[in-house]
Amino acid sequence: QSALTQPASVSGSPGQSITISCTGTSSDVGAYKYVSWYQQHPGKAPKFMIYEVSNRPSGVSDRFYGSKSGNTASLTISGLREEDEADYYCCSYTSSNTWVFGGGTRLTVL
Amino acid sequence: EVQLVESGGRLVQPGGSLRLSCAASGFTLSVYDMHWVRQAAGKGLEWVSTIGSAGDTYYAASASRFTISREDAKNSLFLQMNNLRAGDTAVYYCARDREGGMDVWGQGTTVTVSS
Repeated sequence: QSALTQPASVSGSPGQSITISCTGTSSDVGAYKYVSWYQQHPGKAPKFMIYEVSNRPSGVSDRFYGSKSGNTASLTISGLREEDEADYYCCSYTSSNTWVFGGGTRLTVL
Repeated sequence: EVQLVESGGRLVQPGGSLRLSCAASGFTLSVYDMHWVRQAAGKGLEWVSTIGSAGDTYYAASASRFTISREDAKNSLFLQMNNLRAGDTAVYYCARDREGGMDVWGQGTTVTVSS
């Protein structure tokens, strides 16, 4: 199972919006609603940000928005803040009853 | 408080074995699907294995030498890793599944495979 494809890096200025894409196949992202997103700061464990494509767990800011079209999922962060600077990973369930992560995207807040 | 605490990671020689543990508190581990995820230094997250609430197990192709299990009486999750290779060197996290996402993570335990 190949990793989902994410851009290696994205950047934006405070207050701006950015979108991170996550491209899979018809056997993972395109087939299931079980797409999730994680934020990871250096040296820390990942944090659960989005589940089932677009649902936010309690406590996650509504500045974080998830969506999906075909085989590509996306995470949009609006109103960028310095504390949003981190690595972001998507994850999907697959038709092989396994899970696959994206390669990760480093978000830099300029 | 809902919490996961991993332990058992250490330096081990190639070909050796290791058993990682993940102790759950604040919830009953057996009613959830549970995952192991690893991350090599400077690299991305890699799914390793899942045990379902019914005891069904699933593994990444890279984890054919591993066995996931749980002990309900100890409210704990385990990962038995055999014939370890340098490529298994990573921080290993356990995580709880919630509706297809991993909502609670431990702090990780470090496995180093080196002679």
